[in-house]
Amino acid sequence: DAGVTQSPTHLIKTRGQHVTLRCSPISGHKSVSWYQQVLGQGPQFIFQYYEKEERGRGNFPDRFSARQFPNYSSELNVNALLLGDSALYLCASSLITSDYNEQFFGPGTRLTVL
Amino acid sequence: QKEVEQNSGPLSVPEGAIASLNCTYSDRGSQSFFWYRQYSGKSPELIMSIYSNGDKEDGRFTAQLNKASQYVSLLIRDSQPSDSATYLCAVNRYSSASKIIFGSGTRLSIRP
Repeated sequence: DAGVTQSPTHLIKTRGQHVTLRCSPISGHKSVSWYQQVLGQGPQFIFQYYEKEERGRGNFPDRFSARQFPNYSSELNVNALLLGDSALYLCASSLITSDYNEQFFGPGTRLTVL
Repeated sequence: QKEVEQNSGPLSVPEGAIASLNCTYSDRGSQSFFWYRQYSGKSPELIMSIYSNGDKEDGRFTAQLNKASQYVSLLIRDSQPSDSATYLCAVNRYSSASKIIFGSGTRLSIRP
């Protein structure tokens, strides 16, 4: 079975531009979470979606938004890019959302903002 | 105080020895705990999850949880050069969403 897939692998944008990142979860998984990881730190929670509804949001500005589609794939959108948005963006897939579910990460999208 | 704290390392361990990685967390209500391995330039890979106090073993890996002390650890027996990576401790702080909080990671280096 395929794992979590993300596209694109790498992306270079300039300040002020907009970016859309895509994620397809493991087959049968209904929850997708997005994380941002900057060099030297652990991933930071951005959003979680379950059954197409937003279930949680981390401490990120409104420039960040996301959605989940009926096939459980998801998009993360970032508007008005800043240099500080340069990071590895990770999508994690889980069966459900609960106290005990395991999350499995995709390969990530490396975003560079110039 | 960070929600999940780890020693950043690097932790250098000779090949064949036991590597011991430690983590503390601040939210006493946390119910599930995870260890992820991350190779340089790659995404995190889940290697262990633990939900109850005590030890959980999987191959060369043993996770230990002590909720009273808010402490999680990972032991790697018979360390191999391929174990050289950053190990991320993570805690599920569930409140309508499974918000996984990560530590900054411990860099482990296995020397031949």
